[in-house]
Amino acid sequence: NAGVTQTPKFRVLKTGQSMTLLCAQDMNHEYMYWYRQDPGMGLRLIHYSVGEGTTAKGEVPDGYNVSRLKKQNFLLGLESAAPSQTSVYFCASSYYPGQGSLQPQHFGDGTRLSIL
Amino acid sequence: EDQVTQSPEALRLQEGESSSLNCSYTVSGLRGLFWYRQDPGKGPEFLFTLYSAGEEKEKERLKATLTKKESFLHITAPKPEDSATYLCAVQTGNTPLVFGKGTRLSVIA
Repeated sequence: NAGVTQTPKFRVLKTGQSMTLLCAQDMNHEYMYWYRQDPGMGLRLIHYSVGEGTTAKGEVPDGYNVSRLKKQNFLLGLESAAPSQTSVYFCASSYYPGQGSLQPQHFGDGTRLSIL
Repeated sequence: EDQVTQSPEALRLQEGESSSLNCSYTVSGLRGLFWYRQDPGKGPEFLFTLYSAGEEKEKERLKATLTKKESFLHITAPKPEDSATYLCAVQTGNTPLVFGKGTRLSVIA
């Protein structure tokens, strides 16, 4: 049972380069999220999606773009990487929060990204 | 603006020394509060959801409680394998979770 899978696990980029981080989930979750985690800052939401074809901005969206072309995949793109984007990136997914019991988010194991 | 504050930032315990972690929140219309555990190099792992003041949930050596302004994660007779960072997060409406910065727990044998 894979859950949430993030690709790649590690990457080193040079300033100005672009790349895409891939998140895949096999739980048929409607909602997907991208976070970054930095020392002393906790988890901060970058973008999220409430369903296939939809995206929304989170707390720290600048410098990132996302796409959700298929329900099971959520892509995070860096068009022109900057050293300030050095971080650990986590993807998560969940069922729709709904009106009843809340659904927890399930996380991948992260992508460690360094930008030189 | 919704705020979640966890304390202490770091806690070092001897094996068997019970203690509590705190998560205080300032939100409008709390729907629920989550506790997660995060091991080094891994993503957060769900532990508990609490919905209303007075509610308690237990799992092995962990017990989570909720009041109108804060939640506690009590750790009874901890073992070294309980060492991790513990995160709390709050949900209001259908908006995304707001996470605290976490408490880094070290349990020494």
